[in-house]
Amino acid sequence: KAGVTQTPRYLIKTRGQQVTLSCSPISGHRSVSWYQQTPGQGLQFLFEYFSETQRNKGNFPGRFSGRQFSNSRSEMNVSTLELGDSALYLCASSYPPGRSGDYEQYFGPGTRLTVT
Amino acid sequence: AQSVAQPEDQVNVAEGNPLTVKCTYSVSGNPYLFWYVQYPNRGLQFLLKYITGDNLVKGSYGFEAEFNKSQTSFHLKKPSALVSDSALYFCAVRDADYGQNFVFGPGTRLSVLP
Repeated sequence: KAGVTQTPRYLIKTRGQQVTLSCSPISGHRSVSWYQQTPGQGLQFLFEYFSETQRNKGNFPGRFSGRQFSNSRSEMNVSTLELGDSALYLCASSYPPGRSGDYEQYFGPGTRLTVT
Repeated sequence: AQSVAQPEDQVNVAEGNPLTVKCTYSVSGNPYLFWYVQYPNRGLQFLLKYITGDNLVKGSYGFEAEFNKSQTSFHLKKPSALVSDSALYFCAVRDADYGQNFVFGPGTRLSVLP
């Protein structure tokens, strides 16, 4: 099976702009989670989508949003970009057997966002 | 609240020697525990998980981890390190009873010296 794909891989934006990142999960996976990875804060959970519904949300401002489509592909959007949004954004997919939480996640290579 | 600690930022070990990467956790309910590895410019790769059952869990690439409930630890081990094991290792936890999402530790950089 093909792995999780993320586009674009690299992105440079200016403060105040908005950006949309895309994630295609492994075929058959219905859950997609997004994480922000920075050297200072490590891996921080943004949100999780399952069957087009946001199931969990991390502690990020409303500028960060996402959605999931019927084919399980997901997008995340960041509006009014700030310098501190520069990070590696990782998408992870999984095939959870319900809400038990015992499933591992499969990560994409990430999108490196640089805000100048 | 869930939390994960990896007390060592960096672990250095000689090739062929055993390695241990430490992880301790805190959850309200029962833990689901995971180890992931990240190579440069790559996403995280799943290594192994503890859900229930045997405290010693075996995973990919010869890695194993031991769950210790009394010490709330889940240390990653390998009997004989390879230079190619050099990477960033993350421990993660999800509360089986109360958790909503995975919480990752800060990561430990493992360097295996030839």
